[in-house]
Amino acid sequence: DVKVTQSSRYLVKRTGEKVFLECVQDMDHENMFWYRQDPGLGLRLIYFSYDVKMKEKGDIPEGYSVSREKKERFSLILESASTNQTSMYLCASRDPRTGPGELFFGEGSRLTVL
Amino acid sequence: DQQVKQNSPSLSVQEGRISILNCDYTNSMFDYFLWYKKYPAEGPTFLISISSIKDKNEDGRFTVFLNKSAKHLSLHIVPSQPGDSAVYFCAAVSQGNLIFGKGTKLSVKP
Repeated sequence: DVKVTQSSRYLVKRTGEKVFLECVQDMDHENMFWYRQDPGLGLRLIYFSYDVKMKEKGDIPEGYSVSREKKERFSLILESASTNQTSMYLCASRDPRTGPGELFFGEGSRLTVL
Repeated sequence: DQQVKQNSPSLSVQEGRISILNCDYTNSMFDYFLWYKKYPAEGPTFLISISSIKDKNEDGRFTVFLNKSAKHLSLHIVPSQPGDSAVYFCAAVSQGNLIFGKGTKLSVKP
């Protein structure tokens, strides 16, 4: 079974702090994604990476950056956390050879910024 | 501009009856659609998909119907079970990435 592991299930940070959200997948998937989920807004794509060292902006990249130094690891960075970044963050991976859409998601990281 | 729309934020159904979740899209270039299910405090899990060359795909109690002329797809769950209570997201593939709807919260009452 594919496993996508997010390092922290719950985090509480203060405004202005730097926040790292780590994601590791164990199935050698090339593609990795970061989404945020907010009530009434669904899942919105922040950043994605189709291969190591590659990164592309999604629909809402402002205030975020990412790092993909190894194939299995995709990190989301909030340089200076703000209260409007309080959200559920979801990491996902995909093997592009098996189909165009099926993403495997981690359990999510709920971030609260005070 | 929302390209994938789930106009019903919530749906309540009696156990054993049919649940029908609806999704509309605006871009006729979408060629692959998926449904995901999400429980609270968990990540979404893939449920079922359909290619635009088909109009129906069935997997056990779950069936997805695609009406390309209406740009509409629906997920049917028969019979509904209390364990089906979750948020359901419709998604369309666009240039390799998924565009999600806002979700419909399904409650199946015993």
